[in-house]
Amino acid sequence: DVKVTQSSRYLVKRTGEKVFLECVQDMDHENMFWYRQDPGLGLRLIYFSYDVKMKEKGDIPEGYSVSREKKERFSLILESASTNQTSMYLCASNIDRPYGYTFGSGTRLTVV
Amino acid sequence: RKEVEQDPGPFNVPEGATVAFNCTYSNSASQSFFWYRQDCRKEPKLLMSVYSSGNEDGRFTAQLNRASQYISLLIRDSKLSDSATYLCVVADSGYALNFGKGTSLLVTP
Repeated sequence: DVKVTQSSRYLVKRTGEKVFLECVQDMDHENMFWYRQDPGLGLRLIYFSYDVKMKEKGDIPEGYSVSREKKERFSLILESASTNQTSMYLCASNIDRPYGYTFGSGTRLTVV
Repeated sequence: RKEVEQDPGPFNVPEGATVAFNCTYSNSASQSFFWYRQDCRKEPKLLMSVYSSGNEDGRFTAQLNRASQYISLLIRDSKLSDSATYLCVVADSGYALNFGKGTSLLVTP
């Protein structure tokens, strides 16, 4: 089974901190994605990557950046955390389009 | 932005009931279709892909109507453990999948 591993299940950070969320997949998937999920708003795409060092903005990239230096790892960076970035963050990967995703177990981030 | 629309529910049904969810999508060129299940405070997990001819997996049946651009999921003989949110997911030519906001199901004793 494909595994997508997110480094933390729960995080509490202070406003203004730089926050790194890590995601690693073990099945040589080409594409990786970062979403946030909030009640009533569903899953919203922040950034995705279709190859090493390649990245594309999703629907809500403001306040975030990403890094993909190796194929298996896709990092989400909150440059200066704000309280409105309190959310569930989900990483996903797929082998190629238009295949389904495998998700990581999520990181519940609270910014205080 | 390509849209995937679902009735948010909640659908409250007794154990043993049959329940159906529908989903509509806006992009007629969509290529692949899925239902995901998400338990409270957990990640979404693939329930089943949806094929043009319709497909069944135990108590679950998925149908696709390309002409009307809708997808359905039928759950027969509902169990308490079926309580979850069901996400309709559509793939078009882009890299990212398009998610509905989900339909909440609560199966009661």
